[in-house]
Amino acid sequence: SAVISQKPSRDICQRGTSLTIQCQVDSQVTMMFWYRQQPGQSLTLIATANQGSEATYESGFVIDKFPISRPNLTFSTLTVSNMSPEDSSIYLCSVEGVPRNYGYTFGSGTRLTVV
Amino acid sequence: AQSVTQLDSHVSVSEGTPVLLRCNYSSSYSPSLFWYVQHPNKGLQLLLKYTSAATLVKGINGFEAEFKKSETSFHLTKPSAHMSDAAEYFCVVSDPSSGNTPLVFGKGTRLSVIA
Repeated sequence: SAVISQKPSRDICQRGTSLTIQCQVDSQVTMMFWYRQQPGQSLTLIATANQGSEATYESGFVIDKFPISRPNLTFSTLTVSNMSPEDSSIYLCSVEGVPRNYGYTFGSGTRLTVV
Repeated sequence: AQSVTQLDSHVSVSEGTPVLLRCNYSSSYSPSLFWYVQHPNKGLQLLLKYTSAATLVKGINGFEAEFKKSETSFHLTKPSAHMSDAAEYFCVVSDPSSGNTPLVFGKGTRLSVIA
């Protein structure tokens, strides 16, 4: 299965600022997924990122707040913009296994605290 | 639409006793089902997966799960709990035919193991 390097692993940020999270995969993948895990909660999909096209956002998430880049088949970034304390969460990237339904691989997560 | 219900938010067992984490799902005729484990301050790790092959699925660390279509269940079991099993467990369903959302997570079950 793929190996994902995600960074930063954690950060404490001031409200009103932005943080960019990076995920690097050791193999080429078509789709990358970004999730949010709020404190004590399960994972919620933010968006799906395909290389060469705009990301597809789930209900409740918008591009202005969570812009995503996907410059190539092994890399993606998620930016959390104009942060507020409500954005304090763990953010994770994920890729699909090969063959499909082998199982999804997740990055180790970015623990974000907004103060 | 697909959904997952983890029937217990918290399960506590004594070391050496059996573990049962319950999961019921709602999906199409042939979903894929997964169990993931998340240790404190760690990323998500795939325990096991069901993808329409054998209904009894064996995973890592002695865990297994049985797919029961008639009961729409996919409960996770382990014969003997170890202290290192203490973690958060997520039951996940994937149904690519139902739309863009690749994975739907249950709310999680926190497993505590008492010495």
